[in-house]
Amino acid sequence: DAGVIQSPRHEVTEMGQEVTLRCKPISGHNSLFWYRQTMMRGLELLIYFNNNVPIDDSGMPEDRFSAKMPNASFSTLKIQPSEPRDSAVYFCASSSPPNSPLHFGNGTRLTVT
Amino acid sequence: AQSVTQLGSHVSVSEGALVLLRCNYSSSVPPYLFWYVQYPNQGLQLLLKYTTGATLVKGINGFEAEFKKSETSFHLTKPSAHMSDAAEYFCAVSGLRAAGNKLTFGGGTRVLVKP
Repeated sequence: DAGVIQSPRHEVTEMGQEVTLRCKPISGHNSLFWYRQTMMRGLELLIYFNNNVPIDDSGMPEDRFSAKMPNASFSTLKIQPSEPRDSAVYFCASSSPPNSPLHFGNGTRLTVT
Repeated sequence: AQSVTQLGSHVSVSEGALVLLRCNYSSSVPPYLFWYVQYPNQGLQLLLKYTTGATLVKGINGFEAEFKKSETSFHLTKPSAHMSDAAEYFCAVSGLRAAGNKLTFGGGTRVLVKP
């Protein structure tokens, strides 16, 4: 089992550019989560999917953020346009409810200059 | 709705000493409770979880936690700290019937182990 795979590991971009973060969940897991981690706000849930359907996107900061899950093995989180305050580590996690814990990827460290 | 409070953002312990990390939660439904550990530049790894049944839960690396409903607590302990325990630890809660195991995390406690 390769675990949850995120790419890229690091992304540096200029303000105003589009950023796309990618996630491949563990095979067989039917729930996928996007979290953001910052020093100031800790771990925040942005959005989660169940069976590829977005269930709760109330944590998405604003319309500049969007997430998709076109199939069970792939999800993207897009920021357009990016701003310096978006700088954070973005984690993807997957699970197979009802009792299984979340399995996290190693994260994407995003720096917006 | 759920929330988690971790008392102390930083804890310093000597190698071989007891590690105690405090976690209090609030939940409108019977909770599932979790402790995760995060090493530098890595994602979170599950240490242990409580769902139902025995309230003393044993996890990996010698850690254990006890669910105390009356105190709404789920404190994490390890009898003897090792240098490799230096990391950040997160307590998390989810509702018993929450779709997809949506977790709410505490603010984290960074553990420093002194030789």
